[in-house]
Amino acid sequence: EAGVTQFPSHSVIEKGQTVTLRCDPISGHDNLYWYRRVMGKEIKFLLHFVKESKQDESGMPNNRFLAERTGGTYSTLKVQPAELEDSGVYFCASSQDLLGELFFGEGSRLTVL
Amino acid sequence: GENVEQHPSTLSVQEGDSAVIKCTYSDSASNYFPWYKQELGKRPQLIIDIRSNVGEKKDQRIAVTLNKTAKHFSLHITETQPEDSAVYFCAAPSKKGYNKLIFGAGTRLAVHP
Repeated sequence: EAGVTQFPSHSVIEKGQTVTLRCDPISGHDNLYWYRRVMGKEIKFLLHFVKESKQDESGMPNNRFLAERTGGTYSTLKVQPAELEDSGVYFCASSQDLLGELFFGEGSRLTVL
Repeated sequence: GENVEQHPSTLSVQEGDSAVIKCTYSDSASNYFPWYKQELGKRPQLIIDIRSNVGEKKDQRIAVTLNKTAKHFSLHITETQPEDSAVYFCAAPSKKGYNKLIFGAGTRLAVHP
């Protein structure tokens, strides 16, 4: 069975540009989470989908970030326009149960120059 | 804001020694405490978790202990091996909504042969 996959693995963009990150969760997992880790800091919660609905987006930094999960399958996280402080590793994770094991993707490393 | 405090940030041990990582949480109602391991270049993976109805859980060389009174939990690795070298993250449910985990800042463990 395929695990959580994320694309791209690494993206380098200039300040002001747009980037879209994609996450394909494990099939059948209704819960999908986006997290971000800035170098040396915690894995910080961004938002949580249950199927196609945003359950909790309290961790989204500002309105430059937009997440979608059309049809309750894959999800995208768009950053527009990107700022320097958006650099970090963006992790997607999915789970079958609430507060059960999170299955992480390998992350998308975003570098904003 | 809410957070999970994790210490130490780095830990260096000789092969065969024990390693202990400690986390402190703030919400006394929290009831689920997982530990994730992230090897270099790989995705975080769950290695052990504990629920608040028990004080200790073991799985071969790793164990987690929970002190609900003091609101801290610890990861214990015995007879460390070089392959234990990784970044370890603790987590606890958010008191603002129990459907998401709040992670610590991570501990980089280096096991030297």
